[in-house]
Amino acid sequence: DTEVTQTPKHLVMGMTNKKSLKCEQHMGHRAMYWYKQKAKKPPELMFVYSYEKLSINESVPSRFSPECPNSSLLNLHLHALQPEDSALYLCASSQESEKLFFGSGTQLSVL
Amino acid sequence: GQQVMQIPQYQHVQEGEDFTTYCNSSTTLSNIQWYKQRPGGHPVFLIQLVKSGEVKKQKRLTFQFGEAKKNSSLHITATQTTDVGTYFCAGDYGGATNKLIFGTGTLLAVQP
Repeated sequence: DTEVTQTPKHLVMGMTNKKSLKCEQHMGHRAMYWYKQKAKKPPELMFVYSYEKLSINESVPSRFSPECPNSSLLNLHLHALQPEDSALYLCASSQESEKLFFGSGTQLSVL
Repeated sequence: GQQVMQIPQYQHVQEGEDFTTYCNSSTTLSNIQWYKQRPGGHPVFLIQLVKSGEVKKQKRLTFQFGEAKKNSSLHITATQTTDVGTYFCAGDYGGATNKLIFGTGTLLAVQP
């Protein structure tokens, strides 16, 4: 199994809503990532988990809250988002210093 | 902070023409990776370069890593319509945890 599965594929939420994005991999990778990608822009690193511990937080606003319940799962909890947070949210996993496997992403629209 | 720039931003070629994209980092990299993202898709890994001056080939694609490990290039020979997409380099700045920073990307359009 060389897949990273993300759900949902699409999400529309209001600025007062609370929602969660989910990511799962069964490749035994110990590093998992959240990237944010705006249209026609590169993926922008948000968070990195290494061995289930948060190792990198790229100064992301607190309205984004990551969680790594176990080595196969990664969540991104969303609360009080702004319209400018609308983007494609990509999850990825890797072994240390090796290639990233990306999921197909969650297209988020904040109204 | 670390920045990775790519040029050109956009390239339109006729099928059969060659294509090159260049990637430059503001600081020395531990390694560099290249990804391709088709329109509407997600980034897919192409290759990783680790050694100074390294050159790797994959069929019509040639990848180079600069001697100073701050720049890289991707060259496609005789482009095909299937090569359409955005090509990103991604710099790994090493350290205890993977910190992969994506370059600005080059969008390749191929006209049949």
